[in-house]
Amino acid sequence: SQKIEQNSEALNIQEGKTATLTCNYTNYSPAYLQWYRQDPGRGPVFLLLIRENEKEKRKERLKVTFDTTLKQSLFHITASQPADSATYLCAINQAGTALIFGKGTTLSVSS
Amino acid sequence: DAGVIQSPRHEVTEMGQEVTLRCKPISGHNSLFWYRQTMMRGLELLIYFNNNVPIDDSGMPEDRFSAKMPNASFSTLKIQPSEPRDSAVYFCASSQQVMNTEAFFGQGTRLTVV
Repeated sequence: SQKIEQNSEALNIQEGKTATLTCNYTNYSPAYLQWYRQDPGRGPVFLLLIRENEKEKRKERLKVTFDTTLKQSLFHITASQPADSATYLCAINQAGTALIFGKGTTLSVSS
Repeated sequence: DAGVIQSPRHEVTEMGQEVTLRCKPISGHNSLFWYRQTMMRGLELLIYFNNNVPIDDSGMPEDRFSAKMPNASFSTLKIQPSEPRDSAVYFCASSQQVMNTEAFFGQGTRLTVV
């Protein structure tokens, strides 16, 4: 069956450290993979998109990698801040379908 | 642009009643999506439209759910009759196209069926 799996447990890190979140998928052939941030009571907000032929994408303190052999994407936040505390969702786009989301990982950054 | 606008923000209804959720997508966006979010199942795709035409409704849980997009600036998701297990947050999102672009989400409608 098709699955998108993200760290099910919350990730707790200290301010200034790098947070690394994992997204693994099974039985999908994504052409694109996206990451979103969701705060309590709000809709998801787009962060980054990476294509299947791209290995890495960066935006300010954010970095995403995409390994189609391992069927995995890693999402990194460097120099993390308490304001980065939120739930992060990965989403897959494959041909002929709309975005399919993982359940998300909740990140908590303590000062 | 004000972004994707959903109404109402909160809806509490009794089991068996009809519920209608509304969405105004961002002007110029060709694709519109309806998602449902619960703690247990996460964010599930219910249905999506491209150029006002329903493309994939395989995520609609039952015949009690229906969605329409009569024009490019309005969509509805209807549940009739509603049941307690329909309680969730329903999100509408829009994008310029189905793939290769970001989706913009509304604030969601929190539905409680008692």
